[in-house]
Parts: sequence; C-alpha cells; structure tokens
Amino acid sequence: AQKVTQAQTEISVVEKEDVTLDCVYETRDTTYYLFWYKQPPSGELVFLIRRNSFDEQNEISGRYSWNFQKSTSSFNFTITASQVVDSAVYFCALTPSVSSARQLTFGSGTQLTVLP
Amino acid sequence: NAGVTQTPKFRVLKTGQSMTLLCAQDMNHEYMYWYRQDPGMGLRLIHYSVGEGTTAKGEVPDGYNVSRLKKQNFLLGLESAAPSQTSVYFCASSETGTSYVHEQFFGPGTRLTVL
Repeated sequence: AQKVTQAQTEISVVEKEDVTLDCVYETRDTTYYLFWYKQPPSGELVFLIRRNSFDEQNEISGRYSWNFQKSTSSFNFTITASQVVDSAVYFCALTPSVSSARQLTFGSGTQLTVLP
Repeated sequence: NAGVTQTPKFRVLKTGQSMTLLCAQDMNHEYMYWYRQDPGMGLRLIHYSVGEGTTAKGEVPDGYNVSRLKKQNFLLGLESAAPSQTSVYFCASSETGTSYVHEQFFGPGTRLTVL
C-alpha cells in the first residue's frame, strides 16, 4: 500500500517570504514517480513537476524548487519570494513505475495563503 | 485543444436519484480516471480505464459505475445517489508509457450536492 502525508494543513505567509511545503511518502515499490500539483481558487489542478525515484537531483524552476531525498522518503517543495498568486492548495502524489494504469495516490493537500 | 472537459459543472440531486457525469478528452490518451475530492482528504480514485472498453475499480468504487465505450469519453454513473456522495468530481487522462510515467491532465471538476 502507498501513502502520501502532507502534515501541513494550512500555511500562511506574507508576500516575498520563502515557504516550504512538506511531503513524506511510503511505498514498497523500488521504483516510483512523485508529482506536485497546484489547485488555485478556481479549482482546476495544474501539474507542476514529476520526479523519478532514480533521479535524486534537486530541481529549480524559477521561484520553485524541489528537494527529493530518498533516504527520508521526502519530496519537499519550496517557493522563494512568494507572491499572492501562489495562494492555492498544493498536492503531492505518488505512483509506482510498474503499475499498469499509473494510478496516483494523493496527499491531503496543503492550503497556502500568501498575504499582501 | 480543449484538453479534458466535464459535464455538468454543477448538479444538485435528491437522495435516490441517478445521474451520469461525462468526461471527454481530445488528446488521444489511453488512460482515464475519475477522482473525488473531499475536504481534508485530497483526491481519491474511484474508477479508471486503461483503454477503450476497459474499466477497473480504484480506492473508493462503491456506489459508482463507469463505462468507456469510446476512447475519448469516460462516463461516471451514480445509480442511487446518497448524501455521502456529495463531493467534487474530477476526471483526468494521461498518455501511456512503458518506461516513463506521464502526468495526468485534469478536467475542471463537477460539484455535486446530494440532498
């Protein structure tokens, strides 16, 4: 069985602060993929990043960065210099590489509020 | 390219009524999924399909049925709606990949209330 835990239910920061969203996962699979999705107030889910368990390199995309640590089963997401438009619910998700249908197991999400 | 679309966007049902939610994708994806989103619980998989004519149960399939008669469409049915099925329903689709896992593309969601 797989499990994704996002212990931070809600986070509130002031604009321009840095913020890190935690994601811890459990899986028995040796190979797997991790994802982050953003759900803004409009409700749709937007894909942010995919990471293969083989690749432990950190990734940076503009103000976003991701820290994947297999040793601690964590895939944390940092927003640098946060902006009001970053306010959303962020979901971490996991799927085994060898699953026939690539079903995602989602965490419960972290509601990020960025105050002006 | 419309991506993934869902019909309807909102619906209110009375207990015991039935309805069908329609999902359509124009990306020629093989895989399609139905999720429900409830407060504090993230998204949970209801049913999924790996191709036209195939369906399978996900984590929370009870009370729902699905059909995939055409590759581009994935229908979710509620035969006898219950208040516990009040939720936001999301459809998603993705490409296949033997050595690579593609991201899922999500529809805008359907907000269903069962009274």
